[in-house]
Amino acid sequence: DTAVSQTPKYLVTQMGNDKSIKCEQNLGHDTMYWYKQDSKKFLKIMFSYNNKELIINETVPNRFSPKSPDKAHLNLHINSLELGDSAVYFCASSIVEDNEQFFGPGTRLTVL
Amino acid sequence: AQKVTQAQTEISVVEKEDVTLDCVYETRDTTYYLFWYKQPPSGELVFLIRRNSFDEQNEISGRYSWNFQKSTSSFNFTITASQVVDSAVYFCALSSFSGGYNKLIFGAGTRLAVHP
Repeated sequence: DTAVSQTPKYLVTQMGNDKSIKCEQNLGHDTMYWYKQDSKKFLKIMFSYNNKELIINETVPNRFSPKSPDKAHLNLHINSLELGDSAVYFCASSIVEDNEQFFGPGTRLTVL
Repeated sequence: AQKVTQAQTEISVVEKEDVTLDCVYETRDTTYYLFWYKQPPSGELVFLIRRNSFDEQNEISGRYSWNFQKSTSSFNFTITASQVVDSAVYFCALSSFSGGYNKLIFGAGTRLAVHP
């Protein structure tokens, strides 16, 4: 059973387009996250939602808009894609009190 | 400010060698958690261990062991008798629950290459 899933796994698109990445977790966790991993493998948190409420927004350009329709889903919409947005995006979830985060398989976004 | 430093960018060893990956952290919080994650070439992030700041006992899990020393703010990871399948990027991370939420701060990662 997949704990944290992301779709799509690969996304290739042109500059200026709008795209979305979906994330779902079946662990019953309260908190979900988006991380960006750049070409040098550096991992940085972008957003965190707890019970559908935004609790972390790490100075991410407002072209990035997370949306949590329910506790089990956290989607990431990106407007006007730029070359610098090319990266691997990871979704994760955790029970807030437990701190251990489980990661999805990642979505490799390539902007041409 | 919270920070995690993994000074070793890349390590290359021959199979069966022991290898230690260093991790040094900075935080002002008294309650925090330390983690290690593995990222194999396939790209997924695999959780290895979590340690809270009040538990300084070392831990051993098979060929893996972790040494947590608050006095030096270090949480080092040792692989004994390394194998080719251990080749991966290993991340150390720090999290605290200050402000009502937790946030994982990752180190830059150490790429381990184990050669046959």
